[in-house]
Amino acid sequence: KQEVTQIPAALSVPEGENLVLNCSFTDSAIYNLQWFRQDPGKGLTSLLLIQSSQREQTSGRLNASLDKSSGRSTLYIAASQPGDSATYLCAVQTSGSARQLTFGSGTQLTVLP
Amino acid sequence: NAGVTQTPKFQVLKTGQSMTLQCAQDMNHNSMYWYRQDPGMGLRLIYYSASEGTTDKGEVPNGYNVSRLNKREFSLRLESAAPSQTSVYFCASSDGRTAGNQPQHFGDGTRLSIL
Repeated sequence: KQEVTQIPAALSVPEGENLVLNCSFTDSAIYNLQWFRQDPGKGLTSLLLIQSSQREQTSGRLNASLDKSSGRSTLYIAASQPGDSATYLCAVQTSGSARQLTFGSGTQLTVLP
Repeated sequence: NAGVTQTPKFQVLKTGQSMTLQCAQDMNHNSMYWYRQDPGMGLRLIYYSASEGTTDKGEVPNGYNVSRLNKREFSLRLESAAPSQTSVYFCASSDGRTAGNQPQHFGDGTRLSIL
């Protein structure tokens, strides 16, 4: 059974700092890995999707990497801003269960002004 | 552009009552999903519908039923609500034409409390 772990559970940084969020998964046979953002009381917003054949994806100040063999992904946020404060969730779609996403518990990020 | 719309946003039920959570998407997506989110446990898949007319169980289907009413709408029913079903419920959709490589789009959730 696929398990997804995100460390740390919470992170607080000063504005302007570059930061890295970590995600690990136990089964390397994946279709893709997705990073989501969740604001309090809201649904999830898809940030980046990395296909199993890719090593990284970039969108603006966000860069996500994927190392399938080691079961790890990182989300790099450059020049953090208070508006980046949210919970970031990692999810993997495992081969053989084409529709099911397995989520981590998330990292709650606070960027202090 | 509404995306995925869930109703109601909040609901309080008594144990044993029944209710249906509604979900509609306007993106012409083939696949739709129901998740529940509990503190410290991430999101877990309850049921999904790969295409109109099909539904399949996810990780935690017990106590729930679903209906894919048409391509736009996917409802989740609690026949006899239990306190363990207190949770935040999210509906999501994706373009399932290319299996596995399309992001899922989420609604804002239904916060359900069962007393």
